[in-house]
Amino acid sequence: EVQLLESGGGLVQPGGSLRLSCAASGFNFNNYAMNWVRQAPGKGLEWVSGISGSGDNTYYADSVKGRFTISRDNSKNTLCLQLNSLRSEDSAIYYCAKDSTRQPYGMDVWGQGTTVTVSS
Amino acid sequence: DIQMTQSPSSLSASIGDRVTITCRASQSISSYLNWYQQKPGKAPKFLIFAASSLQSGVPSRFTGSGSGTDFTLTITSLQREDFATYFCQQSYSTSLTFGGGTKVEIK
Repeated sequence: EVQLLESGGGLVQPGGSLRLSCAASGFNFNNYAMNWVRQAPGKGLEWVSGISGSGDNTYYADSVKGRFTISRDNSKNTLCLQLNSLRSEDSAIYYCAKDSTRQPYGMDVWGQGTTVTVSS
Repeated sequence: DIQMTQSPSSLSASIGDRVTITCRASQSISSYLNWYQQKPGKAPKFLIFAASSLQSGVPSRFTGSGSGTDFTLTITSLQREDFATYFCQQSYSTSLTFGGGTKVEIK
């Protein structure tokens, strides 16, 4: 069974940092791109970042470019998102999502999400 | 970035109704359009990819159509389990973007 399990969310002050992780199992991790998608309370979905299956190519939404860094360790089937210079508007549930191809395209499996709250 | 606009933002329908949701892209995206369903408190579910291809396990009452800038998701004969919020998402650009969502509620 394909599974994604996020961790690392929590409460952080504005300007602070957080590192999210996603442990993947049940599929050939390095064959698929991975993405982070967030959802603020009561709002819609916002794609945050994606990374190719090999890890060679990374992609970011303008809203997080320069502040967030996506990475993956294919030897450990793990996806990470480093969140720096956090703002209140970054507060959301962050979902790890497996892509259906080697490049960001469409997300066919999602984790349960981890909540990030940015507040003083 | 490519902007995705969904309409309506919400609708009320009855069991058995035919429901149509529209998604419009700010530029042509060919058929690089996916649809998701999200229920309260749950992660989204992948429904349709490449505008009209049904993801494995998704009931055939869900159909997608369109190309270029205009797309539709149709649910024929709405079932109770279909009450949810639906999102479109473009993958033409490597900066993926979602539409704002359409909430389908029980009338």
